Amino acid sequence: KNEVEQSPQNLTAQEGEFITINCSYSVGISALHWLQQHPGGGIVSLFMLSSGKKKHGRLIATINIQEKHSSLHITASHPRDSAVYICAVGTGNQFYFGTGTSLTVIP
Amino acid sequence: NAGVMQNPRHLVRRRGQEARLRCSPMKGHSHVYWYRQLPEEGLKFMVYLQKENIIDESGMPKERFSAEFPKEGPSILRIQQVVRGDSAAYFCASSRGEQETQYFGPGTRLLVL
Repeated sequence: KNEVEQSPQNLTAQEGEFITINCSYSVGISALHWLQQHPGGGIVSLFMLSSGKKKHGRLIATINIQEKHSSLHITASHPRDSAVYICAVGTGNQFYFGTGTSLTVIP
Repeated sequence: NAGVMQNPRHLVRRRGQEARLRCSPMKGHSHVYWYRQLPEEGLKFMVYLQKENIIDESGMPKERFSAEFPKEGPSILRIQQVVRGDSAAYFCASSRGEQETQYFGPGTRLLVL
C-alpha cells in the first residue's frame, strides 16, 4: 500500500473548467507539498502546506490534517496547466510521493 | 539568484561503468535531497544530506550507490558498476532548512546501455 494516494490518475478538461486533484496519505506528516512536473520533466514546487489553505494565482491548495487529505484546485484552467501534478508528504527526513495526476487541458 | 543546478542533464553509460551526478543547491541552501524517478513510476526518496553529513539514506540501494555533500562544491550522487535498471531521472532538491520548501533541479537523465 502506498503512503500517498492520488486521484484521479488522469484528467482531461476543457479550457476554463475548474479542476480538483485529490491526495490522501496514511502517515503522520510535517508538511505536504504539491509539485508540478512538465512534459519536459522539470519539477516545480507549487505549495508547501501544514494546515489550512494557500492560494497562488489560479491555484488553491487545501489540507485537512484530521482527515489526512489535501486537494489542489485550478480555477479557469488553461492548456499551459497541462502537466503531471504530484502530491508529496514529508515525514521526518523523508518524502513520500504520490504517483501523480496527469492533467491535459484542451483548448 | 540561480536555481538548483544539476549536471550533466543527460548521461549515457555502459553497464559496469560509473556514473557521477552533480547537484549545486541554491545559494544559501545547506540541505540537499536526491530523488529517483524510474520510467513510468513516481518519485522515490533516496538520500538527505546537509553539509558534510548524511542525515537519512534509507532510500538508497545498499550497494553501488553513495552520496556526499562536501564543505566546498556540489553534492555528488555516485553509482558504481551501473546496470540497466539504474536508468532513470535523478532529481536533486535543496532547501534552506529542514522541513522548508524544497526547490528542484532540472534532473539528470541516466541511460545505461
